[in-house]
Amino acid sequence: AQSVTQLDSQVPVFEEAPVELRCNYSSSVSVYLFWYVQYPNQGLQLLLKYLSGSTLVKGINGFEAEFNKSQTSFHLRKPSVHISDTAEYFCAVSGNAGGTSYGKLTFGQGTILTVHP
Amino acid sequence: GAVVSQHPSWVICKSGTSVKIECRSLDFQATTMFWYRQFPKQSLMLMATSNEGSKATYEQGVEKDKFLINHASLTLSTLTVTSAHPEDSSFYICSGGGHYEQYFGPGTRLTVT
Repeated sequence: AQSVTQLDSQVPVFEEAPVELRCNYSSSVSVYLFWYVQYPNQGLQLLLKYLSGSTLVKGINGFEAEFNKSQTSFHLRKPSVHISDTAEYFCAVSGNAGGTSYGKLTFGQGTILTVHP
Repeated sequence: GAVVSQHPSWVICKSGTSVKIECRSLDFQATTMFWYRQFPKQSLMLMATSNEGSKATYEQGVEKDKFLINHASLTLSTLTVTSAHPEDSSFYICSGGGHYEQYFGPGTRLTVT
């Protein structure tokens, strides 16, 4: 079984400032890690994912995340945010062993990022 | 990326009636799809795994007789909320794809009056 904890429920920042959204996970098996963004009343859009290889993952819209196995973290960062980045962000994990875990995601509680002018 | 559609996007129904929500993979085949439920200002909770040609697998605490799932083809899964009650009001989201990435539908907002 897996669990995901997003440490901040809300993060307010000013436009052009850097931002970090924190995510920690626990799992008894190796995992794949994902960050999704959700705009109001919409589905989820994939920002980036870690499957294997380099621990620094770059995604869309200038976001990046770093997988830290020892700290079981997968924090999301952006060096300079825009007003349009205002949305809710979800960290998610799935077991990578296949079988019954195939494609099944466990989500964190979400972090609402609000970018102020 | 691949596209998943949901229909309807918003539905209002009266208590006691049933509502069907469709989830379609438009440009890929999905032998497995997932149904999630999202309450306001909360995360997505997996309800069930929809398997093409076989019975759905429900997560603990989800009433399978209330939330009927049918996955009759490789591109269509349906969720029927039977005898809906106001507490069933929620945002329902489906996904399909593979082990390395899931594609999410835009969601269906159900309001039961």
